[in-house]
Amino acid sequence: DGGITQSPKYLFRKEGQNVTLSCEQNLNHDAMYWYRQDPGQGLRLIYYSQIVNDFQKGDIAEGYSVSREKKESFPLTVTSAQKNPTAFYLCASAGSSGNTIYFGEGSWLTVV
Amino acid sequence: AQSVTQPDIHITVSEGASLELRCNYSYGATPYLFWYVQSPGQGLQLLLKYFSGDTLVQGIKGFEAEFKRSQSSFNLRKPSVHWSDAAEYFCAVGNLGYKLSFGAGTTVTVRA
Repeated sequence: DGGITQSPKYLFRKEGQNVTLSCEQNLNHDAMYWYRQDPGQGLRLIYYSQIVNDFQKGDIAEGYSVSREKKESFPLTVTSAQKNPTAFYLCASAGSSGNTIYFGEGSWLTVV
Repeated sequence: AQSVTQPDIHITVSEGASLELRCNYSYGATPYLFWYVQSPGQGLQLLLKYFSGDTLVQGIKGFEAEFKRSQSSFNLRKPSVHWSDAAEYFCAVGNLGYKLSFGAGTTVTVRA
């Protein structure tokens, strides 16, 4: 089936540790995105990438890093510099026209 | 800068009754507008989108939305809600897809 796969679904991290969230898509989409969702705040853009080996910061990039070595993959690393990392993280992608964004099922990150 | 306001945080509606969710946007050019739905702990599913043309847009699950440029609005409607429509709904605005701005969401509760 075509789609966007995020893993793991649930992740627990100790303070001070980095953690990487995986996002893979088999839709042949050029653009990929990471959003963070907190209750009552909607979705906020962390990073996005329009093509391989290129990415741009979104509105809340501090404390996060990404890579785009392959078209299908856009992993997000939540670093220890992120002050409040507990949240629901959503990966998304869009085709070459870029006009419709499709979402994965999300990953819950809890810092303990 | 683009932004979206969803004035209603929470709406309760009886099963079989009509539903209208409000969305107001701010955007400097012709906007691309979207409505997404999210079930608890899941990703976002695209309900409908408006790019140009007919200002009344039909979507999935019996939803429709009307674009009103003079009011900067893109309200979502459904004539008769089902219990399965209980979810959170997000309005979003963007250009050619590479950056979407989301509203804070409206939670819909359906009572029997």
